[in-house]
Amino acid sequence: AQSVTQLGSHVSVSEGALVLLRCNYSSSVPPYLFWYVQYPNQGLQLLLKYTSAATLVKGINGFEAEFKKSETSFHLTKPSAHMSDAAEYFCAVKGSSNTGKLIFGQGTTLQVKP
Amino acid sequence: EAGVAQSPRYKIIEKRQSVAFWCNPISGHATLYWYQQILGQGPKLLIQFQNNGVVDDSQLPKDRFSAERLKGVDSTLKIQPAKLEDSAVYLCASSWDRGNTGELFFGEGSRLTVL
Repeated sequence: AQSVTQLGSHVSVSEGALVLLRCNYSSSVPPYLFWYVQYPNQGLQLLLKYTSAATLVKGINGFEAEFKKSETSFHLTKPSAHMSDAAEYFCAVKGSSNTGKLIFGQGTTLQVKP
Repeated sequence: EAGVAQSPRYKIIEKRQSVAFWCNPISGHATLYWYQQILGQGPKLLIQFQNNGVVDDSQLPKDRFSAERLKGVDSTLKIQPAKLEDSAVYLCASSWDRGNTGELFFGEGSRLTVL
């Protein structure tokens, strides 16, 4: 069965610093992996997705993630944090069926300090 | 393009009462999902519809939760009777491609507090 684990429920960085949010997955089939972002009082928004093409995936707002099969990881990075990046970030894996079901991690809250 | 619409945004009820949430997906999206997001956890799928048929309801507590999508467009999720542990945000999402790519469009959610 598919699952994801996000390491660290809270991450705090200074504005301009590197952002690194960690995600490890478990999948019995080649995975489809996603990062979603949730701003306060808003719904989830797709940040980027990996669907077995390039292993380095670029998303919106300067975020990118690298798929590493050997490490079963899909960590999210951004070179320079901005105050507007403060939000909750969810890693997700698509279920093995064709139903489109997403299995989410528990989320990581990103705090950006001035 | 209008996004996924949900109502009400907030609802407070007492345990054993009933509540209903409504969702209108993005126009043309045949697939509709209801997720439950408990504080501190990631969203968990409750039910998935393809048009007006149920694709997956394996994690829906059917003794108290029900959902319908009668005309293949908007959907209603009902809880009756509510328990304290049902306090959560109920997220509706839709997709255009039967979910094959996993790209979902979410509404802002309906926050339920059960006292």
